Amino acid sequence: SQKIEQNSEALNIQEGKTATLTCNYTNYSPAYLQWYRQDPGRGPVFLLLIRENEKEKRKERLKVTFDTTLKQSLFHITASQPADSATYLCALTFGNEKLTFGTGTRLTIIP
Amino acid sequence: NAGVTQTPKFRVLKTGQSMTLLCAQDMNHEYMYWYRQDPGMGLRLIHYSVGEGTTAKGEVPDGYNVSRLKKQNFLLGLESAAPSQTSVYFCASSTSEAQHFGDGTRLSIL
Repeated sequence: SQKIEQNSEALNIQEGKTATLTCNYTNYSPAYLQWYRQDPGRGPVFLLLIRENEKEKRKERLKVTFDTTLKQSLFHITASQPADSATYLCALTFGNEKLTFGTGTRLTIIP
Repeated sequence: NAGVTQTPKFRVLKTGQSMTLLCAQDMNHEYMYWYRQDPGMGLRLIHYSVGEGTTAKGEVPDGYNVSRLKKQNFLLGLESAAPSQTSVYFCASSTSEAQHFGDGTRLSIL
């Protein structure tokens, strides 16, 4: 079965620096990969989607890359702010209507 | 714009009791999902629906049943609650890509 690994449970970054989160998967390449943000006590919120034929996607201070050779996606937050502190989830789909989620990385931006 | 609404937000049950979790969406989405989220396990799909009147099993369906009688509602039932079903339950809806989540139901089974 497909496994998804997010590089670490927790990541602390100094304010203003770039935060980079990693999502690795095994076996088959997904049709597309998504990143979500989850705040304590709240449901996940969709951030970005990248398809298997796309190398990079950007939205404001967010950037996602997708390397099907390495079976890896990187999620970058540039000029990080304390308000970016949250848990970030990656999720994969293989062309059907279901998503498989990673366990998440808890990001803390230190002022 | 409510999005996805889950009721109740919190509930405590005794082992063996039954209950139904309600999910409503106002975005006219075809697809709806029920997940559970446990520490260290991430979100796991329980059941999902691709349209009114349809349901399908996800990764962890045992002990749960669902119904999608109306397009905007997706119900999750626990017939005989067990302590292993203590979790946070999330409902989501989508068109074909991004999923929109409710804020969860925190369920404790004693």
